[in-house]
Amino acid sequence: QVQLQESGPGLVKPSQTLSLTCTVSGGSISSGSYYWSWIRQPAGKGLEWIGRIYTSGSTNYNPSLKSRVTISVDTSKNQFSLKLSSVTAADTAVYYCARLIAARPTYYFDYWGQGTLVTVSS
Amino acid sequence: SYVLTQPPSVSVAPGQTARITCGGNNIGSKSVHWYQQKPGQAPVLVVYDDSDRPSGIPERFSGSNSGNTATLTISRVEAGDEADYYCQVWDSSSDLGVFGGGTKLTVL
Repeated sequence: QVQLQESGPGLVKPSQTLSLTCTVSGGSISSGSYYWSWIRQPAGKGLEWIGRIYTSGSTNYNPSLKSRVTISVDTSKNQFSLKLSSVTAADTAVYYCARLIAARPTYYFDYWGQGTLVTVSS
Repeated sequence: SYVLTQPPSVSVAPGQTARITCGGNNIGSKSVHWYQQKPGQAPVLVVYDDSDRPSGIPERFSGSNSGNTATLTISRVEAGDEADYYCQVWDSSSDLGVFGGGTKLTVL
């Protein structure tokens, strides 16, 4: 059973960089036709896809966040990470990491982390 | 970018059938996936590729997709089905994930 766990600071100051890590257990991050993704959800609102990464390092980002987002992977640690720069209060949300199944031409999320709340405030 | 439209809320009595729609331009040409999210919890995949169910999801959950509307159908609704439901597609032209705005299912 694959499990994902987000970790990182719960409070980030405005204009600083939000950094989160997702640790994958129960399977290798490098195996299979899987991508790894970040999704966020502001309180009381819907889900927003942030981006994805393949273990080769290939990435795709939501155009609305592309200029501020970097997703990276560390296969030796079975982890992938999110960095979001120049944050504002609008970036306050629960951040989820998830496994993305590649069933080309479509993709869907089959395993999710429990989510971690990140608040942007001084 | 591709837009998915869901009704904000749907209400149904226990034992009845709930239908949650997801509208999009020619959505029938895409594969639609559905997630259930209960308060304080992460989303759970309940239907993928329009109508397939992951292991462990009751047969009461089914999906269809045609034209400009995809539908998640929940038969014999139970109190435990009360949750937010999100549809999702992959916009292959832009290579990015798209979620609908979500529908709150209330069991009366």
